[in-house]
Parts: sequence; C-alpha cells; structure tokens
Amino acid sequence: EAGVAQSPRYKIIEKRQSVAFWCNPISGHATLYWYQQILGQGPKLLIQFQNNGVVDDSQLPKDRFSAERLKGVDSTLKIQPAKLEDSAVYLCASSFGTGRDLNTEAFFGQGTRLTVV
Amino acid sequence: KQEVTQIPAALSVPEGENLVLNCSFTDSAIYNLQWFRQDPGKGLTSLLLIQSSQREQTSGRLNASLDKSSGRSTLYIAASQPGDSATYLCAAPGNYGQNFVFGPGTRLSVLP
Repeated sequence: EAGVAQSPRYKIIEKRQSVAFWCNPISGHATLYWYQQILGQGPKLLIQFQNNGVVDDSQLPKDRFSAERLKGVDSTLKIQPAKLEDSAVYLCASSFGTGRDLNTEAFFGQGTRLTVV
Repeated sequence: KQEVTQIPAALSVPEGENLVLNCSFTDSAIYNLQWFRQDPGKGLTSLLLIQSSQREQTSGRLNASLDKSSGRSTLYIAASQPGDSATYLCAAPGNYGQNFVFGPGTRLSVLP
C-alpha cells in the first residue's frame, strides 16, 4: 500500500513570496490533515478535510494560508505572502475515518521543510 | 480543549535499559490514542494505536497503556537499542474527537 505522498521535500523562499505544497493521501482515506511543525515542537493542526469539505480550520491563518482538496483526493496548501515565522515542516496526514472512530489510525507523509529568509 | 503534555522532554539512556515515556491529556472523552516516532528530518511513523476500550497494546518491544480516567498513557520500550533513538510523540483526539492533538514529544537517545 502506497503511503502519503508530499512534494516538494524542501523549499527556500524569501519573505513575502508565495509557496504551495501538494499532498496525495492513501487511497480510500476520506480524511486529510495539514499540520505545521515548528522545530522542537509537536505538530499543530492547520486544517482538516473530510472528503472535499472542511471539518476544522480554526487554527489556519486565513489572511495568508489557504488550502483546498479538489475531488476529495489530492490537496494543496498555499502560503501567500510568507513570513519568517512560517519556517517549519508542513506535514500531510490521512486516515480512513476521524478521531471519533475507535480504530482510526493517522498516517503521515515525509513532510515539506520550508525555510523563509 | 484538548491539551497534551509529555514527560520527560528528553531522555538519554545506555543501550539495554527498559524505559517509560509519559503522555498526559486533559480531555478524557477520547476514542483512541496514538503513539508516533519521528526521526530527524522525517515524517511521523505510527507505532501503536490504543482504542479507548483497550488498556494496553503491544508491538514487539513496545507496549503502550491507556488510563482514560487519569488522563494518562505510557509507552514502555524494553531492551532499548541505539536504533530506538528518535522523538516519540503521542496524539489524542481533540475538537470533539474530530482530529488529533499532539504533545511536544520526548527526544530519546540510546547510547551504545
């Protein structure tokens, strides 16, 4: 079974530029998550999709971050314009169900390391 | 709002020791809890998923326990090896169980 695919693996941009990340979840997984992980901290949820609908985007800085999941499969996360504090690893994860399901297990991609200079 | 903490923040042990990593969560109305491993520069690898009806889950040298009433989970690693060196994170459901809230992790170093 193929895992969660993310690209690119690394990205360096200047502040105020824009950047986009792509994620392809495990086939059949209805739930897709984007997490931000700052160095030395645990991942923080940015947005959660159930199929192509948004379940939770309460921690997404909507003035600069946007995400979409067209057709309920692939997803893109965009930052425009980027700030220095956006430097982090952006992790995509997918699961068959949600945290309310007893046996739901989340699977993560390798992440995209973003450096804003 | 679910909050997850982990103790200790870092741990350094000689090879062969048995060790315990601790995870605490504030909202005990959870359906499951998951432990992950993260190697430097890599994504998260799922280690164990404990359902709320279970008290323990085992995989090889790893054993995770869950006590919902006290809001605690522990990850026990038997006979530690240098290859176990990584950051270990626990995640509990948050936002009424919709998604996963992570602790800050425990950074483990196993010395040969």
